[in-house]
Amino acid sequence: GNSVTQMEGPVTLSEEAFLTINCTYTATGYPSLFWYVQYPGEGLQLLLKATKADDKGSNKGFEATYRKETTSFHLEKGSVQVSDSAVYFCALHSPLNTGNQFYFGTGTSLTVIP
Amino acid sequence: KAGVTQTPRYLIKTRGQQVTLSCSPISGHRSVSWYQQTPGQGLQFLFEYFSETQRNKGNFPGRFSGRQFSNSRSEMNVSTLELGDSALYLCASSPGQTTSTDTQYFGPGTRLTVL
Repeated sequence: GNSVTQMEGPVTLSEEAFLTINCTYTATGYPSLFWYVQYPGEGLQLLLKATKADDKGSNKGFEATYRKETTSFHLEKGSVQVSDSAVYFCALHSPLNTGNQFYFGTGTSLTVIP
Repeated sequence: KAGVTQTPRYLIKTRGQQVTLSCSPISGHRSVSWYQQTPGQGLQFLFEYFSETQRNKGNFPGRFSGRQFSNSRSEMNVSTLELGDSALYLCASSPGQTTSTDTQYFGPGTRLTVL
């Protein structure tokens, strides 16, 4: 089956620290992979995505590389800001699915302190 | 373009009642998906509608149902509410034709509390 496993939170970092949030997946075939972010009181927003192996998604200083050999899609940012405080969700879409059924991880809460 | 809107934003119900939540997708989007978000389980897929037809369904009991109208607006209904149905219900819309690379646009959610 399809599933996503994220590192447990919460994560607390000081401003300008390096961020890594681990994400591994199980899927049939080669899924598309996504990171979504949820700011307090808001819905989820797409942060970045990668649709095939070795693709790197990037946005707002965040990056994640689709690693087929380790079935991973870890999120990284070199220098976090207070405004990055949010909950981050890793997700996949299976190519065997004809519709919009996405599988999400449980989310990782990030708090950045000044 | 206006974003995805969900009404109401907050609901309080008692066990045994039923509830209807509404979602208006972004104009031009034909796919609407519903998710249940809880602290322990994260986001769990309920179902997806595309052009008024249910295209995908998650592993939820039959008490959870939905529909989509010709203008792509969608409703989900939960009957015989249980305490465990307390959650944030999120709706997401997308164009719907190329699903593997579609960006899902989420609404702010409806917070349902069952007492």
